[in-house]
Amino acid sequence: EDKVVQSPLSLVVHEGDTVTLNCSYEVTNFRSLLWYKQEKKAPTFLFMLTSSGIEKKSGRLSSILDKKELFSILNITATQTGDSAIYLCAVGLRDTDKLIFGTGTRLQVFP
Amino acid sequence: NAGVMQNPRHLVRRRGQEARLRCSPMKGHSHVYWYRQLPEEGLKFMVYLQKENIIDESGMPKERFSAEFPKEGPSILRIQQVVRGDSAAYFCASSPPWSPYEQYFGPGTRLTVT
Repeated sequence: EDKVVQSPLSLVVHEGDTVTLNCSYEVTNFRSLLWYKQEKKAPTFLFMLTSSGIEKKSGRLSSILDKKELFSILNITATQTGDSAIYLCAVGLRDTDKLIFGTGTRLQVFP
Repeated sequence: NAGVMQNPRHLVRRRGQEARLRCSPMKGHSHVYWYRQLPEEGLKFMVYLQKENIIDESGMPKERFSAEFPKEGPSILRIQQVVRGDSAAYFCASSPPWSPYEQYFGPGTRLTVT
């Protein structure tokens, strides 16, 4: 069965800290890995990764994919209270357009 | 450019009633996906539709649930004879035809069955 596992389940940090969120997967026909940020409502698209070793960066957020070891990390540097959210990792499969989601990492950033 | 729109945002139904959830994809997007999020769980795929076609409904319960995406108008997720276990947040996502994995989500409909 295809599965996506995220760790840690939750994380509490202070503003200014750097955090690393992990996502590992076991799927057949991997095509892409996506990261989303979910606050109180819609998951917001952050990154889509398809190639190993190429870092994607957006401001203080960055992500990289390792297709050999089947995982991805999402880094957030100099965290702010506005980064508090659930971060979701999802994998897209080659033979279907659906996404398989992990259960998320709940990040809380305190001032 | 408006994002994915869903309505209603909140829906309360009594057991046995029908629930209809609507989703209008982003402009230019022809692929629509429905996901369900139960409390404290991740998003689970339900169904993937293109205009007038169901492409993949492998995540839909076999009974009481149906979905459509007509030529004109929004996509509809319909739940007949709702039960308490149907209470969840239902999210719709859409993607452009050239990049189906880049899915953008609507704000969701929170269904409560009393």
